Amino acid sequence: GIQVEQSPPDLILQEGANSTLRCNFSDSVNNLQWFHQNPWGQLINLFYIPSGTKQNGRLSATTVATERYSLLYISSSQTTDSGVYFCAVVYNQGGKLIFGQGTELSVKP
Amino acid sequence: NAGVTQTPKFQVLKTGQSMTLQCAQDMNHEYMSWYRQDPGMGLRLIHYSVGAGITDQGEVPNGYNVSRSTTEDFPLRLLSAAPSQTSVYFCASSTGARRTEAFFGQGTRLTVV
Repeated sequence: GIQVEQSPPDLILQEGANSTLRCNFSDSVNNLQWFHQNPWGQLINLFYIPSGTKQNGRLSATTVATERYSLLYISSSQTTDSGVYFCAVVYNQGGKLIFGQGTELSVKP
Repeated sequence: NAGVTQTPKFQVLKTGQSMTLQCAQDMNHEYMSWYRQDPGMGLRLIHYSVGAGITDQGEVPNGYNVSRSTTEDFPLRLLSAAPSQTSVYFCASSTGARRTEAFFGQGTRLTVV
């Protein structure tokens, strides 16, 4: 099956800093999503982005499907950005959403 | 629009007890699935359904049972709870399996003692 790897596993930032989270996948994908799991455990949809670039406020994401990676950019980070960021994919040979291990982000005031 | 609703939010079971985790969606989505999340890990697929009357196993199906009698509901049954099933359970739905966005419920935190 497909392998989904996220980096870095942990990240500590000062408020106001920028960051880039990476998701690599080992096979062609039909679907890629980024989620934020907040400290209360809720999974929040950030982006549905099987290819191309999208922006939503301080967050943006880019997926380069031909090179099998996606990037999530967080600019001017805030303490409320803390939590775990997951990348998940549906690959061409299956119909199941497969998650990476996540990047745990901590933003300090 | 409620989206995906899971009940209960919290549950404590004794080893050997059975229970059903409820999941309902009001978006007329065909595809529904159950995941479990253990500390320090991503979400792992337990069972999924591509439509009413059709279910299949995911990555970690042992100890769990599902059925899909309606489009809206996809309950997950623990037949005889074990401490290894202590986890947070998430239900998800989407319009299809592939080029569609998945939406998740708020999760059920289950402890088996």
